[in-house]
Amino acid sequence: NAGVTQTPKFRVLKTGQSMTLLCAQDMNHEYMYWYRQDPGMGLRLIHYSVGEGTTAKGEVPDGYNVSRLKKQNFLLGLESAAPSQTSVYFCASSYSQAGTQYFGPGTRLLVL
Amino acid sequence: AQSVTQLGSHVSVSEGALVLLRCNYSSSVPPYLFWYVQYPNQGLQLLLKYTTGATLVKGINGFEAEFKKSETSFHLTKPSAHMSDAAEYFCAVSGSGGSYIPTFGRGTSLIIHP
Repeated sequence: NAGVTQTPKFRVLKTGQSMTLLCAQDMNHEYMYWYRQDPGMGLRLIHYSVGEGTTAKGEVPDGYNVSRLKKQNFLLGLESAAPSQTSVYFCASSYSQAGTQYFGPGTRLLVL
Repeated sequence: AQSVTQLGSHVSVSEGALVLLRCNYSSSVPPYLFWYVQYPNQGLQLLLKYTTGATLVKGINGFEAEFKKSETSFHLTKPSAHMSDAAEYFCAVSGSGGSYIPTFGRGTSLIIHP
């Protein structure tokens, strides 16, 4: 039982490049979330999903897209990376909306 | 919209001293309340949560928190700090204003001095 895993762990991008971050969970959770963590800002919700095939915008969705084609996977895409997207990205999942969130180990992204 | 305020971005205590991390939330109805801990270079993990029932909630590693509706607070305490408690602590709230998507506070870094 791996819980929540994230791929890759670390990535360096040049401005304008694109990439996809993968989140996978093996707990059969309906709800999945993508957050970014920046110093002094806490966790800010980017996008979330309440089930397979659904996605919704969070607090800071601009510049990101997501897809939930399979229940266990939640992908976060950056179409044209910008230095402001340098951050640590966390994926989380939960059984219910108000339930405990289980977090992945994070992906550190540096955009030059 | 719901909001969470954690007073103090950094809290410093001596080993063996009382730990008190403050959390206040905005809500007109009893929400669900959480404390998460993040150790360096790791993801967050649940420390404790309040849903309904007893207002004093006990969590892992000797931490506890008390839900005070009149004060809209959910402060985290531990009687005696240990060096291993050094971490970032986040308070979160959900179920307020019709939204069950959690809102996180900005976090408090707990520093333990020998």
